[in-house]
Amino acid sequence: SAVISQKPSRDICQRGTSLTIQCQVDSQVTMMFWYRQQPGQSLTLIATANQGSEATYESGFVIDKFPISRPNLTFSTLTVSNMSPEDSSIYLCSVVRQSTDTQYFGPGTRLTVL
Amino acid sequence: GQNIDQPTEMTATEGAIVQINCTYQTSGFNGLFWYQQHAGEAPTFLSYNVLDGLEEKGRFSSFLSRSKGYSYLLLKELQMKDSASYLCAFSGGYNKLIFGAGTRLAVHP
Repeated sequence: SAVISQKPSRDICQRGTSLTIQCQVDSQVTMMFWYRQQPGQSLTLIATANQGSEATYESGFVIDKFPISRPNLTFSTLTVSNMSPEDSSIYLCSVVRQSTDTQYFGPGTRLTVL
Repeated sequence: GQNIDQPTEMTATEGAIVQINCTYQTSGFNGLFWYQQHAGEAPTFLSYNVLDGLEEKGRFSSFLSRSKGYSYLLLKELQMKDSASYLCAFSGGYNKLIFGAGTRLAVHP
């Protein structure tokens, strides 16, 4: 498996502000992803974080709302911009290590927007 | 299109066996995952099937039939700590996972 950390673990934010979530993994991985889990629901893929280039977004998610960076093989950030209460969710990063297809999840960031 | 279904809730008795089914439809398929998620925690990897058949890991086993678009997770000798949500997900390509809604399992004494 991989050791994955996320910061912050939780936050309460005001409407209209932005929050940047960090994901750090203990070793080089080939793929990094960001998912959202809204209250009582399952996981939805937001985007694939590509090293050194723009992220690949899924339908319904756009770069202006969820800008993502991945400057190297072990670190990525997701920003939730201009937040509204509908953005209240758990945001999780996941990784796939080299030579495997198994995907592991970070501990998640629980975001509440007031 | 892509679709994945699993039961919403199941209950079982401590010490018993439970089978959680998952059916999926997709044009591209690169494997089927099962995750366990306790309330308030992140999903934990349980199993990954890419070929047809049964994979056994201790008390947990997972089965896949690609021709039928069907998988199940079998939990034996149930313990109270197995009460959790079980998420079925398939990989449709580029390691992107499409998740089912999850099955909430309640284990009773």
